[in-house]
Amino acid sequence: GQNIDQPTEMTATEGAIVQINCTYQTSGFNGLFWYQQHAGEAPTFLSYNVLDGLEEKGRFSSFLSRSKGYSYLLLKELQMKDSASYLCAVRDTTSGTYKYIFGTGTRLKVLA
Amino acid sequence: DTEVTQTPKHLVMGMTNKKSLKCEQHMGHRAMYWYKQKAKKPPELMFVYSYEKLSINESVPSRFSPECPNSSLLNLHLHALQPEDSALYLCASSVISQGAGEQYFGPGTRLTVT
Repeated sequence: GQNIDQPTEMTATEGAIVQINCTYQTSGFNGLFWYQQHAGEAPTFLSYNVLDGLEEKGRFSSFLSRSKGYSYLLLKELQMKDSASYLCAVRDTTSGTYKYIFGTGTRLKVLA
Repeated sequence: DTEVTQTPKHLVMGMTNKKSLKCEQHMGHRAMYWYKQKAKKPPELMFVYSYEKLSINESVPSRFSPECPNSSLLNLHLHALQPEDSALYLCASSVISQGAGEQYFGPGTRLTVT
């Protein structure tokens, strides 16, 4: 089966660094994606990992370890506008086509 | 143009009504998706179309009927819905590729079933 877990909520202070973890179990792994979703809005793409290691994109970085079924999203220099839900999604090809399965989502609250 | 559009933005319907949700993209993406999202929950996959053919149906009740008339359009036909079907319905599209292939989401249709 497929299982993707994230912490439900996190709180951090403006200017700080926060790490949001994601663990997954899937038989047809074909990439891991991070999305940001503000309340009442659509998810927007942040980053993508398919090989092990760190991908950096400005204030956001994402890490993947395929052997451990583990990823994290690192947000640096937090800003108030970073308060949102962060969704980890695994692309799975078990069914013979691309299927994106979302994790439980982490609601991040950034405090002044 | 990296936009996915959805209409209507809001929809209120009774349990005996028939309505349709529409989604459009002009990015040349050949995969299109319908998701259902309840408050404070992640998007839940309903259907996947690849090259205009239905490739995944996540055991969705038959009162939801998807349609992909061409490579740019995706519809979701609704009939005899239940109050628990009230949710945000998101459409997304992506390339079909071994590469990044991130999904682009539309703004969603907020559906209320009365």
